[in-house]
Amino acid sequence: DIQMTQSPSTLSASVGDRVTISCRASQSISTWLAWYQQKPGKPPKLLIYRASTLENGVPSRFSGSGSETEFTLTINSLQPDDFATYYCQQYNTDFTWTFGQGTKVEI
Amino acid sequence: QVQLVESGGGVVQPGRSLRLSCAASGFTFSSHGMHWVRQAPGKGLEWLAVIARDASLEYYAASVKGRFTISRDNSKNTLFLQMDSLRAEDTAVYYCAKEVRDYYPLDYWGQGTLVTVSS
Repeated sequence: DIQMTQSPSTLSASVGDRVTISCRASQSISTWLAWYQQKPGKPPKLLIYRASTLENGVPSRFSGSGSETEFTLTINSLQPDDFATYYCQQYNTDFTWTFGQGTKVEI
Repeated sequence: QVQLVESGGGVVQPGRSLRLSCAASGFTFSSHGMHWVRQAPGKGLEWLAVIARDASLEYYAASVKGRFTISRDNSKNTLFLQMDSLRAEDTAVYYCAKEVRDYYPLDYWGQGTLVTVSS
């Protein structure tokens, strides 16, 4: 099975900062990568799919990049509502939809 | 609007079974693959299983393969997860979620139902 590894596990930032989260796949997944945001007690929210395509309604300060095994989620000008945990997920490769372990963005 | 409502969670003893349901509305249920994902207390997301829109295909995570069975009833817009031989490590919030389209990520999620496996 494909393994997904995110870094860092926790990230401390301030409002207005530019934040970068990395996700590495154990083998090539082309651009079959999604990013989700989750807040405590809530289900995840899809932010980005196909590595860089923004889901409808997601603010443009979120962006994704990468291919094959290395991917990045960038949040420009961090807002108070962005403090949450972020997960990457691979899909459409080996009939599993594996998540990374998550990155918590805290103040 | 799209709604997914899980039910069936609760406290169950190790080794016993439990069946979760997910009632879907607000979209054409039979046109989308559906998934189960769980989250243990204080932990990350773990994908469990997917079923194709016509129930022709099912895939499972290695951690639950052979113990859990995903199914659906398109006439009732309902997704199921049959969980057998439950273990303490199966304690988690269980979410159902809808695919954007075939083999794509998950764009709508339920609020989850808590399963606690304890004697």
